[in-house]
Amino acid sequence: AQRVTQPEKLLSVFKGAPVELKCNYSYSGSPELFWYVQYSRQRLQLLLRHISRESIKGFTADLNKGETSFHLKKPFAQEEDSAMYYCALGGSQGNLIFGKGTKLSVKP
Amino acid sequence: DTGVSQNPRHKITKRGQNVTFRCDPISEHNRLYWYRQTLGQGPEFLTYFQNEAQLEKSRLLSDRFSAERPKGSFSTLEIQRTEQGDSAMYLCASSPRLADSTDTQYFGPGTRLTVL
Repeated sequence: AQRVTQPEKLLSVFKGAPVELKCNYSYSGSPELFWYVQYSRQRLQLLLRHISRESIKGFTADLNKGETSFHLKKPFAQEEDSAMYYCALGGSQGNLIFGKGTKLSVKP
Repeated sequence: DTGVSQNPRHKITKRGQNVTFRCDPISEHNRLYWYRQTLGQGPEFLTYFQNEAQLEKSRLLSDRFSAERPKGSFSTLEIQRTEQGDSAMYLCASSPRLADSTDTQYFGPGTRLTVL
């Protein structure tokens, strides 16, 4: 079965601290993984995807097929990073399979 | 605003009533997706269109749910005989379908449905 697991509902860190949002997936084929972010009162938007291997707003994510993980990392969290983060897996029909999300709170 | 738009943004209805939501995708995006999101959950895929063809509808939650995209542009999602369990945020997304891989999906602001 295709599934995405985000074990943390809430992650609270202080400004300047490193942050890691965990994501594990279950998929039998070659996975396509995404991180979407939803800032307060804004729509869901793409943060990054593993194919592009970009660093967006200082965030990176590495696909680890051995551990079936796609954790999102940032070395120094900023207050403006506070948001809801969703890990998503590309489904067989181009749809997205989302995890339940992790709320990141960056305290000053 | 050239992003995905959804109307209405909020809908309050009584149990048993029918409701219809509209989604206008980004111009020239040929794929359109509908998702439902309940409290504490990530978006859940419901159905999608490639132009006017509905290519997957088995994920629609029941036969009370139906969707159309008659001219390959805007889409509507209808829920008949609403139930309190239908209360949720209904999201629409579109993508350009440029490649065989999963394209970036651009989401609308959603329609929040409350069934009393």
